Amino acid sequence: TQLLEQSPQFLSIQEGENLTVYCNSSSVFSSLQWYRQEPGEGPVLLVTVVTGGEVKKLKRLTFQFGDARKDSSLHITAAQPGDTGLYLCAGLNYGGSQGNLIFGKGTKLSVKP
Amino acid sequence: NAGVTQTPKFQVLKTGQSMTLQCAQDMNHEYMSWYRQDPGMGLRLIHYSVGAGITDQGEVPNGYNVSRSTTEDFPLRLLSAAPSQTSVYFCASSPLNYGTGELFFGEGSRLTVL
Repeated sequence: TQLLEQSPQFLSIQEGENLTVYCNSSSVFSSLQWYRQEPGEGPVLLVTVVTGGEVKKLKRLTFQFGDARKDSSLHITAAQPGDTGLYLCAGLNYGGSQGNLIFGKGTKLSVKP
Repeated sequence: NAGVTQTPKFQVLKTGQSMTLQCAQDMNHEYMSWYRQDPGMGLRLIHYSVGAGITDQGEVPNGYNVSRSTTEDFPLRLLSAAPSQTSVYFCASSPLNYGTGELFFGEGSRLTVL
């Protein structure tokens, strides 16, 4: 069974701090996605990374796909209360469709003003 | 834009009752799916469909039925609810894509089985 492990599970920080969350697997993925889920809502896609070593930036968020395509990280610079939420990573197998998407259990981030 | 619409948002059932969670999307997506989300368990795939008339089982299909008679609708049926089915249910859709697989989620349906 393929697993995506996210760490840390919980993170509570002050506004303005930097943070990094990790998504690791022993399996190789064709692509990896990051979603953010706010309380009471469904997950919303933030980014998809498809190339080993790829780095994508979305304002204060920086996403990296590992060279071996087995891991990814999300770095947030100068976190704000609006960044609070559950961050989920999801990996797609080679040749698979969305039915083969594997989700991690998430990192719950709380940013205090 | 409506996107993915789930109804109801909240439901309380007694053990043994049946119900249907509705999901509709207006984006003409081929792929639709149902997930359940439980604390500490993440999102687990229940059933999915790659087009009208085609359904398949996910990771946790037991106790749930689905059908896909139209591109737009993908209802999830609980025939005899059990307390273990207390969860938040999410419907998701996507263009069928064998490369990146991005999903669009509904807002969720919170089900409590007493």
